[in-house]
Amino acid sequence: GQNIDQPTEMTATEGAIVQINCTYQTSGFNGLFWYQQHAGEAPTFLSYNVLDGLEEKGRFSSFLSRSKGYSYLLLKELQMKDSASYLCAVRDSNYQLIWGAGTKLIIKP
Amino acid sequence: TAGITQAPTSQILAAGRSMTLRCTQDMRHNAMYWYRQDLGLGLRLIHYSNTAGTTGKGEVPDGYSVSRANTDDFPLTLASAVPSQTSVYFCASSGGLENNEQFFGPGTRLTVL
Repeated sequence: GQNIDQPTEMTATEGAIVQINCTYQTSGFNGLFWYQQHAGEAPTFLSYNVLDGLEEKGRFSSFLSRSKGYSYLLLKELQMKDSASYLCAVRDSNYQLIWGAGTKLIIKP
Repeated sequence: TAGITQAPTSQILAAGRSMTLRCTQDMRHNAMYWYRQDLGLGLRLIHYSNTAGTTGKGEVPDGYSVSRANTDDFPLTLASAVPSQTSVYFCASSGGLENNEQFFGPGTRLTVL
Protein backbone atom coordinates (compact mmCIF):
# COMPACT_ATOMS: atom_id res chain seq x y z
CA GLY A 1 0.00 0.00 0.00
CA GLN A 2 0.90 3.64 -0.12
CA ASN A 3 2.05 5.35 3.04
CA ILE A 4 3.27 8.77 4.10
CA ASP A 5 4.65 9.12 7.65
CA GLN A 6 5.33 12.33 9.52
CA PRO A 7 5.34 13.18 13.23
CA THR A 8 1.97 14.10 14.68
CA GLU A 9 3.15 17.13 16.65
CA MET A 10 6.29 19.15 17.29
CA THR A 11 7.09 22.07 19.56
CA ALA A 12 9.72 24.72 18.95
CA THR A 13 10.74 28.12 20.27
CA GLU A 14 10.31 31.43 18.50
CA GLY A 15 13.50 32.36 16.65
CA ALA A 16 14.78 28.79 16.55
CA ILE A 17 15.06 26.23 13.73
CA VAL A 18 12.86 23.16 13.33
CA GLN A 19 13.04 20.20 10.95
CA ILE A 20 9.90 18.25 10.06
CA ASN A 21 10.57 14.83 8.56
CA CYS A 22 8.50 12.86 6.07
CA THR A 23 9.06 9.30 4.87
CA TYR A 24 7.07 7.73 2.08
CA GLN A 25 6.31 4.49 0.32
CA THR A 26 4.27 5.01 -2.82
CA SER A 27 3.56 3.36 -6.15
CA GLY A 28 5.74 5.56 -8.28
CA PHE A 29 7.12 9.00 -7.58
CA ASN A 30 6.48 12.20 -9.48
CA GLY A 31 7.40 14.80 -6.93
CA LEU A 32 6.96 15.67 -3.27
CA PHE A 33 5.08 18.66 -1.95
CA TRP A 34 4.91 20.50 1.35
CA TYR A 35 1.83 22.51 2.28
CA GLN A 36 1.05 24.70 5.27
CA GLN A 37 -2.39 24.65 6.85
CA HIS A 38 -3.46 27.03 9.60
CA ALA A 39 -6.27 25.84 11.83
CA GLY A 40 -9.64 26.18 10.14
CA GLU A 41 -8.12 27.20 6.83
CA ALA A 42 -7.22 25.60 3.50
CA PRO A 43 -3.77 24.16 2.76
CA THR A 44 -1.40 26.48 0.92
CA PHE A 45 1.59 25.43 -1.16
CA LEU A 46 5.09 25.78 0.32
CA SER A 47 7.53 23.77 -1.76
CA TYR A 48 8.04 21.11 -4.41
CA ASN A 49 10.93 18.67 -4.86
CA VAL A 50 11.32 16.21 -7.71
CA LEU A 51 15.11 15.83 -7.77
CA ASP A 52 17.38 14.96 -4.86
CA GLY A 53 18.75 17.84 -2.89
CA LEU A 54 17.79 21.01 -1.10
CA GLU A 55 15.39 23.66 -2.33
CA GLU A 56 15.59 26.95 -0.45
CA LYS A 57 12.86 29.55 -0.38
CA GLY A 58 13.40 32.28 2.15
CA ARG A 59 13.07 30.96 5.71
CA PHE A 60 11.81 27.61 4.43
CA SER A 61 13.87 24.86 2.81
CA SER A 62 12.89 21.39 1.66
CA PHE A 63 15.14 18.40 1.10
CA LEU A 64 14.54 15.20 -0.84
CA SER A 65 16.29 11.83 -1.03
CA ARG A 66 14.43 9.57 -3.46
CA SER A 67 16.60 6.55 -2.72
CA LYS A 68 15.69 6.77 0.97
CA GLY A 69 12.06 7.77 0.44
CA TYR A 70 12.70 10.73 2.71
CA SER A 71 12.12 14.45 2.82
CA TYR A 72 12.30 17.18 5.40
CA LEU A 73 11.02 20.72 5.70
CA LEU A 74 13.35 23.11 7.51
CA LEU A 75 11.94 26.26 9.02
CA LYS A 76 14.40 28.91 10.21
CA GLU A 77 13.94 31.99 12.41
CA LEU A 78 10.61 30.70 13.60
CA GLN A 79 7.81 33.20 14.07
CA MET A 80 4.57 32.78 15.98
CA LYS A 81 2.67 32.86 12.69
CA ASP A 82 4.46 29.64 11.69
CA SER A 83 2.24 27.77 14.16
CA ALA A 84 0.28 25.54 11.79
CA SER A 85 0.08 22.02 10.43
CA TYR A 86 2.58 21.04 7.76
CA LEU A 87 1.42 18.47 5.22
CA CYS A 88 3.69 16.23 3.18
CA ALA A 89 2.28 14.84 -0.07
CA VAL A 90 3.74 12.62 -2.80
CA ARG A 91 2.52 12.54 -6.38
CA ASP A 92 2.29 8.91 -7.40
CA SER A 93 2.50 7.12 -10.76
CA ASN A 94 -1.10 8.17 -11.55
CA TYR A 95 -0.21 11.80 -10.84
CA GLN A 96 -2.47 11.83 -7.80
CA LEU A 97 -1.33 13.28 -4.49
CA ILE A 98 -1.00 10.93 -1.52
CA TRP A 99 -1.11 12.93 1.69
CA GLY A 100 0.41 12.46 5.12
CA ALA A 101 -1.73 13.21 8.16
CA GLY A 102 0.24 16.37 8.84
CA THR A 103 2.54 17.62 11.58
CA LYS A 104 1.12 20.18 13.99
CA LEU A 105 3.86 22.68 14.84
CA ILE A 106 3.48 24.63 18.06
CA ILE A 107 5.68 27.70 18.48
CA LYS A 108 6.35 28.92 22.01
CA PRO A 109 7.63 32.41 22.81
CA THR B 1 -9.11 37.17 -8.66
CA ALA B 2 -11.22 34.95 -6.41
CA GLY B 3 -9.32 31.71 -7.09
CA ILE B 4 -11.53 28.89 -5.86
CA THR B 5 -14.80 29.38 -4.06
CA GLN B 6 -16.87 26.77 -2.25
CA ALA B 7 -20.43 26.85 -0.96
CA PRO B 8 -21.81 26.48 1.55
CA THR B 9 -19.22 27.28 4.23
CA SER B 10 -20.87 24.84 6.60
CA GLN B 11 -23.97 22.69 6.69
CA ILE B 12 -25.82 20.39 9.04
CA LEU B 13 -27.63 17.65 7.16
CA ALA B 14 -30.02 14.93 8.25
CA ALA B 15 -28.99 11.39 7.39
CA GLY B 16 -30.65 10.16 4.23
CA ARG B 17 -30.91 13.61 2.68
CA SER B 18 -29.07 14.60 -0.48
CA MET B 19 -26.80 17.57 -0.87
CA THR B 20 -24.55 19.20 -3.46
CA LEU B 21 -21.37 20.98 -2.48
CA ARG B 22 -20.44 23.65 -4.98
CA CYS B 23 -16.97 24.51 -6.24
CA THR B 24 -16.03 27.17 -8.79
CA GLN B 25 -12.61 28.30 -9.98
CA ASP B 26 -11.71 31.25 -12.16
CA MET B 27 -8.12 30.30 -12.97
CA ARG B 28 -9.01 28.28 -16.09
CA HIS B 29 -7.32 25.26 -14.53
CA ASN B 30 -7.85 21.95 -16.32
CA ALA B 31 -7.72 19.67 -13.29
CA MET B 32 -10.02 19.77 -10.27
CA TYR B 33 -10.24 17.61 -7.16
CA TRP B 34 -12.46 16.89 -4.20
CA TYR B 35 -10.87 15.85 -0.89
CA ARG B 36 -12.18 15.12 2.54
CA GLN B 37 -10.13 15.88 5.63
CA ASP B 38 -10.74 14.03 8.89
CA LEU B 39 -8.91 14.43 12.18
CA GLY B 40 -5.78 12.30 12.32
CA LEU B 41 -5.95 11.36 8.67
CA GLY B 42 -4.39 12.89 5.61
CA LEU B 43 -6.45 14.49 2.90
CA ARG B 44 -8.21 11.73 0.97
CA LEU B 45 -9.15 12.10 -2.67
CA ILE B 46 -12.83 11.47 -3.41
CA HIS B 47 -13.10 12.26 -7.12
CA TYR B 48 -11.09 14.19 -9.65
CA SER B 49 -11.37 15.61 -13.13
CA ASN B 50 -8.39 16.07 -15.41
CA THR B 51 -10.34 18.19 -17.88
CA ALA B 52 -13.89 19.33 -18.58
CA GLY B 53 -16.10 16.41 -19.55
CA THR B 54 -14.07 13.74 -17.74
CA THR B 55 -14.09 12.51 -14.15
CA GLY B 56 -12.35 9.77 -12.19
CA LYS B 57 -12.62 7.99 -8.88
CA GLY B 58 -10.17 8.66 -6.09
CA GLU B 59 -9.39 6.76 -2.91
CA VAL B 60 -12.83 7.11 -1.23
CA PRO B 61 -15.50 7.61 -3.94
CA ASP B 62 -18.37 5.56 -2.46
CA GLY B 63 -21.45 7.62 -1.66
CA TYR B 64 -20.29 10.58 -3.75
CA SER B 65 -20.72 11.63 -7.36
CA VAL B 66 -19.33 14.50 -9.43
CA SER B 67 -19.80 16.13 -12.80
CA ARG B 68 -17.63 18.47 -14.88
CA ALA B 69 -19.84 20.16 -17.43
CA ASN B 70 -17.42 23.05 -17.92
CA THR B 71 -13.95 24.18 -16.89
CA ASP B 72 -15.00 26.32 -13.95
CA ASP B 73 -17.45 24.19 -11.96
CA PHE B 74 -17.01 20.87 -10.18
CA PRO B 75 -19.95 20.05 -7.90
CA LEU B 76 -19.86 17.13 -5.45
CA THR B 77 -23.15 15.37 -4.66
CA LEU B 78 -24.02 13.17 -1.72
CA ALA B 79 -27.08 11.20 -2.84
CA SER B 80 -28.08 9.89 0.60
CA ALA B 81 -25.89 11.23 3.38
CA VAL B 82 -24.63 9.05 6.24
CA PRO B 83 -22.97 10.13 9.51
CA SER B 84 -19.56 8.82 8.34
CA GLN B 85 -19.62 11.54 5.69
CA THR B 86 -19.25 14.15 8.42
CA SER B 87 -16.01 15.87 7.43
CA VAL B 88 -14.39 18.98 6.02
CA TYR B 89 -14.50 18.94 2.24
CA PHE B 90 -11.92 20.78 0.16
CA CYS B 91 -12.06 21.46 -3.54
CA ALA B 92 -8.76 22.06 -5.33
CA SER B 93 -7.53 22.80 -8.83
CA SER B 94 -4.29 22.70 -10.74
CA GLY B 95 -3.11 23.62 -14.21
CA GLY B 96 -2.80 19.98 -15.28
CA LEU B 97 -0.82 16.81 -14.79
CA GLU B 98 2.60 18.42 -15.13
CA ASN B 99 1.87 21.60 -13.21
CA ASN B 100 3.08 21.61 -9.70
CA GLU B 101 0.76 22.99 -7.14
CA GLN B 102 -2.85 22.49 -6.27
CA PHE B 103 -4.83 25.52 -5.14
CA PHE B 104 -7.44 24.88 -2.49
CA GLY B 105 -10.82 26.41 -1.79
CA PRO B 106 -11.74 27.49 1.76
CA GLY B 107 -13.57 24.23 2.51
CA THR B 108 -17.07 23.15 3.50
CA ARG B 109 -17.66 21.77 6.97
CA LEU B 110 -20.42 19.16 6.74
CA THR B 111 -22.11 17.49 9.69
CA VAL B 112 -24.48 14.58 9.03
CA LEU B 113 -26.76 13.71 11.92
